[in-house]
Amino acid sequence: GQQVMQIPQYQHVQEGEDFTTYCNSSTTLSNIQWYKQRPGGHPVFLIQLVKSGEVKKQKRLTFQFGEAKKNSSLHITATQTTDVGTYFCAGPDSGGYQKVTFGTGTKLQVIP
Amino acid sequence: KAGVTQTPRYLIKTRGQQVTLSCSPISGHRSVSWYQQTPGQGLQFLFEYFSETQRNKGNFPGRFSGRQFSNSRSEMNVSTLELGDSALYLCASSLKGEYEQYFGPGTRLTVT
Repeated sequence: GQQVMQIPQYQHVQEGEDFTTYCNSSTTLSNIQWYKQRPGGHPVFLIQLVKSGEVKKQKRLTFQFGEAKKNSSLHITATQTTDVGTYFCAGPDSGGYQKVTFGTGTKLQVIP
Repeated sequence: KAGVTQTPRYLIKTRGQQVTLSCSPISGHRSVSWYQQTPGQGLQFLFEYFSETQRNKGNFPGRFSGRQFSNSRSEMNVSTLELGDSALYLCASSLKGEYEQYFGPGTRLTVT
């Protein structure tokens, strides 16, 4: 079945450092979404990318969709303690309809 | 607009019992998906409903079932509970044809 992997699994950074998580799908995706889950919370939708090579920014967050539409990345510039949480990528499952397959997640810890 | 609501928020059950969890989607959202989240397995897809029909099903045993009502509210049921069923159960709703998932706060199920 379709697999969506993320690396790294965990990342500890000093506050102010940059952070990047990478997402790789076993199949081509029509779109990719990113979610953030704070500790003790639930996943919250951040953004969706649709076009090959697309780059979108949200303040200090930069999202990129690969040219082949099989990979994506999320880069956070100058991390803050509010960035702590687990970041998931997700894409439409080849099974059809509105089924979404989530990536394995990257847990970010920011050391003040 | 009110967000996705899930009840109950916390539940403690004994092995062998059954449990029913409820989810009310965002008004106008007709697609409802259920996920199981555990520390070791990430977000695992259970099933997706649209217009009272199950359109997708994940790789879970038949003890896990669900349904959707005409008002788009959904329930999931787990029978003959096992210790391994302890997890956070998340419900997410989407607009028709959209992949963006809007999650509820989840139900934390503990099986003893």
